[in-house]
Amino acid sequence: GIQVEQSPPDLILQEGANSTLRCNFSDSVNNLQWFHQNPWGQLINLFYIPSGTKQNGRLSATTVATERYSLLYISSSQTTDSGVYFCAAPSTGNQFYFGTGTSLTVIP
Amino acid sequence: DTEVTQTPKHLVMGMTNKKSLKCEQHMGHRAMYWYKQKAKKPPELMFVYSYEKLSINESVPSRFSPECPNSSLLNLHLHALQPEDSALYLCASSQVEGAGELFFGEGSRLTVL
Repeated sequence: GIQVEQSPPDLILQEGANSTLRCNFSDSVNNLQWFHQNPWGQLINLFYIPSGTKQNGRLSATTVATERYSLLYISSSQTTDSGVYFCAAPSTGNQFYFGTGTSLTVIP
Repeated sequence: DTEVTQTPKHLVMGMTNKKSLKCEQHMGHRAMYWYKQKAKKPPELMFVYSYEKLSINESVPSRFSPECPNSSLLNLHLHALQPEDSALYLCASSQVEGAGELFFGEGSRLTVL
């Protein structure tokens, strides 16, 4: 399987600030997902993005498959953005491989 | 409808109890998954069912017993668990095994006393 690394591991932001989360993967993938896990544990799908750029409100994501990384941009952060962000990609063995996560805290 | 439903949301059980976690999806997905997650860690794969047949068992102890009664339902039967099995148990589904977009349920938070 592939190795998926995320950075930074922890991030504290003042409300209204912008941030960039990064996901590196060790081998080529044919799709990549970003999830937000809220404080209650629910994993919410943010983006399904094999390549290119997608935007959804204040969030956007870019995957550069040839260079094996994906970025998640959060603009004008809000306290409700707090939680853990995971990226995940499928690989050999028909599994999805998860990154180690970025724990985001947005302070009012 | 992109929803995976899990019940119960919270479960407390003793080490001698038998309980079950249930999961349902109506997206026509043919792959369903059980994951175990500890605090601040990524989900850890336990089992994969593909077309209602067990495809992957990640060396999970036999006190966890999965069952897939039909293409929409997935159960996880629990028996003689240990306190270290306390965790968030997540069900997920995708169009086919290891491909397509992965959707998660809200999870079942299990405490073993």
